[in-house]
Amino acid sequence: GNSVTQMEGPVTLSEEAFLTINCTYTATGYPSLFWYVQYPGEGLQLLLKATKADDKGSNKGFEATYRKETTSFHLEKGSVQVSDSAVYFCALSDRINEKLTFGTGTRLTIIP
Amino acid sequence: GAVVSQHPSRVICKSGTSVKIECRSLDFQATTMFWYRQFPKKSLMLMATSNEGSKATYEQGVEKDKFLINHASLTLSTLTVTSAHPEDSSFYICSARDRGQTLGTEAFFGQGTRLTVV
Repeated sequence: GNSVTQMEGPVTLSEEAFLTINCTYTATGYPSLFWYVQYPGEGLQLLLKATKADDKGSNKGFEATYRKETTSFHLEKGSVQVSDSAVYFCALSDRINEKLTFGTGTRLTIIP
Repeated sequence: GAVVSQHPSRVICKSGTSVKIECRSLDFQATTMFWYRQFPKKSLMLMATSNEGSKATYEQGVEKDKFLINHASLTLSTLTVTSAHPEDSSFYICSARDRGQTLGTEAFFGQGTRLTVV
């Protein structure tokens, strides 16, 4: 079956630091990959996505590249802000059914 | 576009009572909606897939008689937690996909409902 493994955290960084949250996946076929963000007390918001190998998703300074050879979709940001503090979920969706498979989530805290 | 509204955002109920949570797609039609449960500091656990006009499909280990799902229209799915107990306290989140979406594209999430059973 499908699975997503991501860095568990929590991760604490200083403002303007470089961020990497690792995500690897196992899936049959060619899944689409996503990063969702959850701010405290809220639902999930799509942060970025990539639908095929070598695609790069980007939004709000965050980037992730779909690497088929390493089955990875690591999230990066060059300079984090306090407002980036949230829980980040890596997820995949195959093209057989509509279910999303989520990683365990990584809690990120940015300190001023 | 693609807004999913979930109501209520917070609810406190007494043990033994039932609680209904609504999930609405505001600007698109959703033939399929998903209900998740999130435990503190944990990931999302898919509870069931709600299909418009038919019975929901429950994941293994989820009690269908306890978590009643109704998807009566293309814009509304409801989750009713029956005979609630303190262990049902959790954060419940719904998501929906536009009926015209290609498989493998993203789902849109509601804001979540914090249920506390006292």
